[in-house]
Amino acid sequence: KQEVTQIPAALSVPEGENLVLNCSFTDSAIYNLQWFRQDPGKGLTSLLLIQSSQREQTSGRLNASLDKSSGRSTLYIAASQPGDSATYLCAVARIQGAQKLVFGQGTRLTINP
Amino acid sequence: GAGVSQTPSNKVTEKGKYVELRCDPISGHTALYWYRQSLGQGPEFLIYFQGTGAADDSGLPNDRFFAVRPEGSVSTLKIQRTERGDSAVYLCASSLRGAMDTQYFGPGTRLTVL
Repeated sequence: KQEVTQIPAALSVPEGENLVLNCSFTDSAIYNLQWFRQDPGKGLTSLLLIQSSQREQTSGRLNASLDKSSGRSTLYIAASQPGDSATYLCAVARIQGAQKLVFGQGTRLTINP
Repeated sequence: GAGVSQTPSNKVTEKGKYVELRCDPISGHTALYWYRQSLGQGPEFLIYFQGTGAADDSGLPNDRFFAVRPEGSVSTLKIQRTERGDSAVYLCASSLRGAMDTQYFGPGTRLTVL
């Protein structure tokens, strides 16, 4: 059974800092991994999708890496801004049953002005 | 174009009642997914449609839950004899073809069972 863990559960940093969010998964037989952002009371917004054959993806100030063999992914946010405050979720699509995204519990990020 | 929409945004019902939650996916997306999210948790998979058929309903918790997608577009999640434990945010997502594509999520329906 695939389990996804995100540490820390909450993180508070001052504006302008670079930061890293962590995601680990137990089964390395994955199809892809996605990072999402969720604002309070809202749905999920896809940030980055990394296919299993890729090592990283970049979008603006965001960079996501994937190390399938160790079961880890990181989301790097450069030059954080108050508008980055949200809950960040990672989700894994397994090779068997790839349509079922398995989510971590999320990291609640607060950027202080 | 328009994203995934869900109605209602909030639904309050009494224990034992029947509810229907609607999802309108992105036009042209053949794959549709329902998830359930409890407070402080990540979403949990319920059911996946490819076209009109339920390709994987293994996440439905019991037979009180049922979902349809009769014309391969709009989907309805139906919950019979609601229980307080059904209270959660129900999220719908769609993707262009299936698992290899990004899933785009709607804003969710917050269901409260009193």
